[in-house]
Amino acid sequence: DGGITQSPKYLFRKEGQNVTLSCEQNLNHDAMYWYRQDPGQGLRLIYYSQIVNDFQKGDIAEGYSVSREKKESFPLTVTSAQKNPTAFYLCASSYPERNTEAFFGQGTRLTVV
Amino acid sequence: AQSVSQHNHHVILSEAASLELGCNYSYGGTVNLFWYVQYPGQHLQLLLKYFSGDPLVKGIKGFEAEFIKSKFSFNLRKPSVQWSDTAEYFCAISGGYNKLIFGAGTRLAVHP
Repeated sequence: DGGITQSPKYLFRKEGQNVTLSCEQNLNHDAMYWYRQDPGQGLRLIYYSQIVNDFQKGDIAEGYSVSREKKESFPLTVTSAQKNPTAFYLCASSYPERNTEAFFGQGTRLTVV
Repeated sequence: AQSVSQHNHHVILSEAASLELGCNYSYGGTVNLFWYVQYPGQHLQLLLKYFSGDPLVKGIKGFEAEFIKSKFSFNLRKPSVQWSDTAEYFCAISGGYNKLIFGAGTRLAVHP
């Protein structure tokens, strides 16, 4: 089945540690996105990538980093510089053309203690 | 500034009641409009989308939305809700690069 896989579903880390969230898609989409979901705030864009080896900052990129070495993969690293990392993280992908829709993974809930 | 405003954060309805969730947006250009739904414990799913054409859009599970350009609105409607519609609903817009801008979400609870 085609889709987006995020792993793990739940992740716990100690404060001060970097952590990498995985996102893989087999939809042959060029564009991939990372969003952060907090209660009462909807989803906010962290980073996005339109093509392999290229990515752009979204609205809340501080404290996060990404890479896009393969079309299928867009891992997100939450660094120790992120002041409030506990959140639900969603990965999405789409074709880069304008009138297309994005598909979302099941998300990773990160808790930093 | 680009933004999406959802009028209600929490809505409680009884089964068979009609639903309308408000969504207004601010965007300086041509925009695509979406409603997504997140059922408890499940991933975000697309309910419906508007790119162009007929401003009344029909989606899955009996939902529909109307794009009113003059009001910058894209309200979601359903004539008769079911318990299984209990979920969080997100209105979103996109312009260039398909970057989505989401509203804060509306939590809908439907009681039997």
